[in-house]
Amino acid sequence: ETGVTQSPTHLIKTRGQQVTLRCSSQSGHNTVSWYQQALGQGPQFIFQYYREEENGRGNFPPRFSGLQFPNYSSELNVNALELDDSALYLCASSTTFGGAAYNEQFFGPGTRLTVL
Amino acid sequence: DAKTTQPPSMDCAEGRAANLPCNHSTISGNEYVYWYRQIHSQGPQYIIHGLKNNETNEMASLIITEDRKSSTLILPHATLRDTAVYYCIVGSPGATNKLIFGTGTLLAVQP
Repeated sequence: ETGVTQSPTHLIKTRGQQVTLRCSSQSGHNTVSWYQQALGQGPQFIFQYYREEENGRGNFPPRFSGLQFPNYSSELNVNALELDDSALYLCASSTTFGGAAYNEQFFGPGTRLTVL
Repeated sequence: DAKTTQPPSMDCAEGRAANLPCNHSTISGNEYVYWYRQIHSQGPQYIIHGLKNNETNEMASLIITEDRKSSTLILPHATLRDTAVYYCIVGSPGATNKLIFGTGTLLAVQP
């Protein structure tokens, strides 16, 4: 059983640029959630994808968008990068069935994004 | 905002039990208590969860008070590798299972 993987591990961008982060979910999981973790803070929920559609969103602007693919992998896209977007971006996979999403989420190691 | 309150930090001697408290006085009937931990520079790791009964797995035990307003995570024999930030989270398996993290408890296991 493979765990959650994320790429790249580190990334440096400049303000105004766009970035795409990638996540492969754990085998057997059909739901992917994305979190942003600023230094010294707990992770903050960005959004979740299930059945290739956004299925819940936190308090993040529309320039944060995502995709989920048929194999359940996912991308997080951030447009018009701002300095405050510098953070660790975490992907978590889990299982949704019977209309209920189960909170046992399995996290990847994260992508460290630095915006200069 | 997080629905839980945890002490910001705790120390524990290696080999001793670590007891991490969490208050969740506004928990509703269908909400579970989840514990995750995050070792420095890694993603959070699921530990255990429970609804109202005490739970135990290979990592830890979870004790939930009868009124469900507080809980304690117990690591029975703490090791240096247990040094991490521990998050207590309240949530329900609804349509969106977003986890609302607070600032957690930094557990420092001392040799």
